Amino acid sequence: EAGVAQSPRYKIIEKRQSVAFWCNPISGHATLYWYQQILGQGPKLLIQFQNNGVVDDSQLPKDRFSAERLKGVDSTLKIQPAKLEDSAVYLCASRPPGLPDTQYFGPGTRLTVL
Amino acid sequence: QKEVEQDPGPLSVPEGAIVSLNCTYSNSAFQYFMWYRQYSRKGPELLMYTYSSGNKEDGRFTAQVDKSSKYISLFIRDSQPSDSATYLCAMRGGGYQKVTFGTGTKLQVIP
Repeated sequence: EAGVAQSPRYKIIEKRQSVAFWCNPISGHATLYWYQQILGQGPKLLIQFQNNGVVDDSQLPKDRFSAERLKGVDSTLKIQPAKLEDSAVYLCASRPPGLPDTQYFGPGTRLTVL
Repeated sequence: QKEVEQDPGPLSVPEGAIVSLNCTYSNSAFQYFMWYRQYSRKGPELLMYTYSSGNKEDGRFTAQVDKSSKYISLFIRDSQPSDSATYLCAMRGGGYQKVTFGTGTKLQVIP
């Protein structure tokens, strides 16, 4: 079974630029999460999707971050404009139906904002 | 006060040692508890989840929950160099039932 795919793996941008990350979850997983993991910290939930609907985006900085999951499969997370404090690893995870505490994580995208 | 507190380590032990990793939490709404392992430059992977107070065993790993003290632990028996990683506790409950992670404890098992 293929795992959660993310791209790019690494991205370096300057502050005020925009950036987008892509995630392809495991087939059949209706629930998809985006997390931000700053160095030395645990993952922090940014947004949770159920199919193509948003379940929880309470911790998403909506003035600069946006996410979508068209057609309930792939998802894109965008930052515009980026700030220095956005430097982090952005993790995508998906969850199979019926298993509320089994998340499968992708390898993450490491973002550096200069 | 953070909702979930976890000693960041690093924790260095000799191969074969018993390792104890701990988290405390303040939010009484947390009812579901998980442990993830994260290797360097990889995403976290689920080790165990448990819902009730008491112990749950899976091979060399034992998860322990004490809801009255708001304290959870992960024990690793006969630790191996391949166990060297960061261990994250995670908890679910409250509004939206979102998962809150600890900061992670970095473990190094010395051969």
